[in-house]
Amino acid sequence: AQSVTQLDSHVSVSEGTPVLLRCNYSSSYSPSLFWYVQHPNKGLQLLLKYTSAATLVKGINGFEAEFKKSETSFHLTKPSAHMSDAAEYFCVVSDTGTGGFKTIFGAGTRLFVKA
Amino acid sequence: DVKVTQSSRYLVKRTGEKVFLECVQDMDHENMFWYRQDPGLGLRLIYFSYDVKMKEKGDIPEGYSVSREKKERFSLILESASTNQTSMYLCASLSLGATEAFFGQGTRLTVV
Repeated sequence: AQSVTQLDSHVSVSEGTPVLLRCNYSSSYSPSLFWYVQHPNKGLQLLLKYTSAATLVKGINGFEAEFKKSETSFHLTKPSAHMSDAAEYFCVVSDTGTGGFKTIFGAGTRLFVKA
Repeated sequence: DVKVTQSSRYLVKRTGEKVFLECVQDMDHENMFWYRQDPGLGLRLIYFSYDVKMKEKGDIPEGYSVSREKKERFSLILESASTNQTSMYLCASLSLGATEAFFGQGTRLTVV
């Protein structure tokens, strides 16, 4: 069965310092993995996706994530945080195993960026 | 650009009312989804549909039903609204074989 665990409900960083948002997943098949961002009062926006090509995936706004199958992880990173990165981030796993296509969201990690 | 439009941003309904949440997408996508989003729980799948008149239960279908009479429109129905259905509801769509879902802006429903 699929599941997604975001290891931190809140992360706080200072502007200009690195960001690390952690995600572990389980999937019976070959999953696709995503990170979405949701700014306050805005819809969900796709940051990046992994679909069995390169394991290091680059997304928008300087974010990237590395798929590590041995660790079943898909952590999101950014070298230098900006105030505009403050938002909620969701790790998502999706595959087409038994039961059809299914997309499972993590509980979310709220990122705070201090000046 | 794909557009997924939810008919209302905010709704306030009374306990026991029948509530309709509408979602329309303009890219001829086969698959459509309804999620609810609650703090600390992420997005949880209520129902999804992979074709007109076809529907499948998600993880939390109790108290909800759906309707898909036309490909572009997917409606979520609360047969008798209850206070524990107060939440943000998000609609999504994606095309057959694609892996990225596109989301609407969400409907914040309050049941009083």
